[in-house]
Order: sequence, then structure tokens, then C-alpha cells
Amino acid sequence: GAVVSQHPSWVICKSGTSVKIECRSLDFQATTMFWYRQFPKQSLMLMATSNEGSKATYEQGVEKDKFLINHASLTLSTLTVTSAHPEDSSFYICSARHPVSQSEAFFGQGTRLTVV
Amino acid sequence: GESVGLHLPTLSVQEGDNSIINCAYSNSASDYFIWYKQESGKGPQFIIDIRSNMDKRQGQRVTVLLNKTVKHLSLQIAATQPGDSAVYFCAETFSGNTPLVFGKGTRLSVIA
Repeated sequence: GAVVSQHPSWVICKSGTSVKIECRSLDFQATTMFWYRQFPKQSLMLMATSNEGSKATYEQGVEKDKFLINHASLTLSTLTVTSAHPEDSSFYICSARHPVSQSEAFFGQGTRLTVV
Repeated sequence: GESVGLHLPTLSVQEGDNSIINCAYSNSASDYFIWYKQESGKGPQFIIDIRSNMDKRQGQRVTVLLNKTVKHLSLQIAATQPGDSAVYFCAETFSGNTPLVFGKGTRLSVIA
């Protein structure tokens, strides 16, 4: 079945630094990928929609200059958390819909970001 | 609007009993619904889905019920096992390349 791979699975960084998270579709092409953020004991909240070859679409309240999204190929989307602060510590998850049926959504393993 | 979750309710069941997890969705136009299981530190794992033209779908040990009148989804797990302990989320979306909107989530705790 279709697989989405996310890397790294966890990262610890210092305040003020930037962190890049990669999301790859391993056996299918994804023109669109979705980035979610999940705080402890809460649900997944959509941050942005990543579109191959064009600008990402951000949800209300998500700072586009802080969360940079690049979808340079049909199999890779990256999320860069710039100038990270402790409040950015969270679980970040990417997703892509099935390319043919566009029904089932596949999720990456998630990235646990801790900013110290 | 979106279903926003702030805290996770917990359901505790005895091993071997049946579990019923409920979810209210927000958009009456949504035409595709999915239940996910999430274990600690991992991404969501697909359990079962249902389209809006159905009101019931069965899988292995799981059944999803859809009530469009009251915008309600339920997940029934038969003979609950310790390995079923996790957080369960419902999600709604449209067919096509659109994002999923997740419900609040419920933590299922199975007592051995």
C-alpha cells in the first residue's frame, strides 16, 4: 500500500534555531500534502496544505513566515520551523491522500519537536 | 467550521467487552469519514472508513455507524483487547485531494 515517510522522528533544538522536517511519499506521487500539528492530549490540527510547484495554503492563525513549506517535487514536502521557540514544541505530522481513489489518507510517523 | 479538540475524554472497558466510541462531526456536506487509532508517539493508523451514502460498515472486529441526521459517527469494537488501548479519532473530509478534519479524540483504556 501507499506509504508516507517522515523524518526525523524526533528532534531537540535550541531556541532561535530552525528545524526542517521532511515528508516523502515512497511509492506514489503526491501533488498535495497536508501538515498537521498535535499538542499533548489534543487532536490533530491542520496547519497548511502543501502544493507541488506552488505556494502552500495556510490555515488561519498559522504564521507562514514561521512555518516555511516547500513542495519542490512530487514526492517530497518539507516543513521548516524557523526561529523556533519552546511554544513550538509539538508533534508534527504530514499526510497525503491516495493518488487514485483520493479516499484514504496516509500519514507519516510524525516528528516530535522539542525546543529548549 | 472545524471540530476542535481541547481535551481527550477517556473510555475504560474490561477486556473482552465491546467498546463504543462516539464522535460528532461538523460539516453536513462531508462525504467521507474515517476512524483512526493513534498510539503514543506515532502517526494515526487507519481503522475503517465509510462514505456518506452508507449508514453502516463492518470490518474485522470493528463497525462504523453513520447518522447524518445528527452528524454522528460511532466506532464499535467487539471483544476489546489490551492492544486496542490507544486514542481514537474520527475524521471527516470530502472525496478528492482535500485535508481531513479531525474530531476531539477518545482515549480507550482496556482493563485486563
